[in-house]
Amino acid sequence: RKEVEQDPGPFNVPEGATVAFNCTYSNSASQSFFWYRQDCRKEPKLLMSVYSSGNEDGRFTAQLNRASQYISLLIRDSKLSDSATYLCVVNGRYSSASKIIFGSGTRLSIRP
Amino acid sequence: NAGVTQTPKFQVLKTGQSMTLQCAQDMNHNSMYWYRQDPGMGLRLIYYSASEGTTDKGEVPNGYNVSRLNKREFSLRLESAAPSQTSVYFCASSEAANNQPQHFGDGTRLSIL
Repeated sequence: RKEVEQDPGPFNVPEGATVAFNCTYSNSASQSFFWYRQDCRKEPKLLMSVYSSGNEDGRFTAQLNRASQYISLLIRDSKLSDSATYLCVVNGRYSSASKIIFGSGTRLSIRP
Repeated sequence: NAGVTQTPKFQVLKTGQSMTLQCAQDMNHNSMYWYRQDPGMGLRLIYYSASEGTTDKGEVPNGYNVSRLNKREFSLRLESAAPSQTSVYFCASSEAANNQPQHFGDGTRLSIL
């Protein structure tokens, strides 16, 4: 089993729809979680951190489920500009940087 | 506000040639990283430097060397390039090695013929 797993997609949804995807992780001691977005042939950019109580940033909501070891990202009222690959990132507790693991990403395509 | 700057942006090498990829950050971050990204593989950590004066191997260090020249600069060297090293290389930095988000440069696209 991979340490961090994501559904590669692609998710193809109409503009205005709500879409959600998950990221599972295997290390129960993981402490830090992030979502990044990556546009085609561009660098990853931090979208949001994921906090234990869940957090929201505009149309984006991130949640953490420690019991089932996954994080989720919900996008409401999706825009064409949301089309990108979304990477989850998991970091182990008291670990070195070598334990920062990036998922392979979920591709999202928003159609008009 | 430059952030993380990588040079060059594109490079084509012949097998066996050597080259150094440069990375500099102006955010006063302590930690710096080198990743490679291949289709379907996600980002894989090559080397990192938790703080100035230290470097450590990541997941895929073979065929690479690094130098943390000072707090700002972290270079990646390919001593004898191989076709398997064709990839997109990203440099990143963060305030600290643990629990902090990373900020990425815009990448170097490297082809080895």
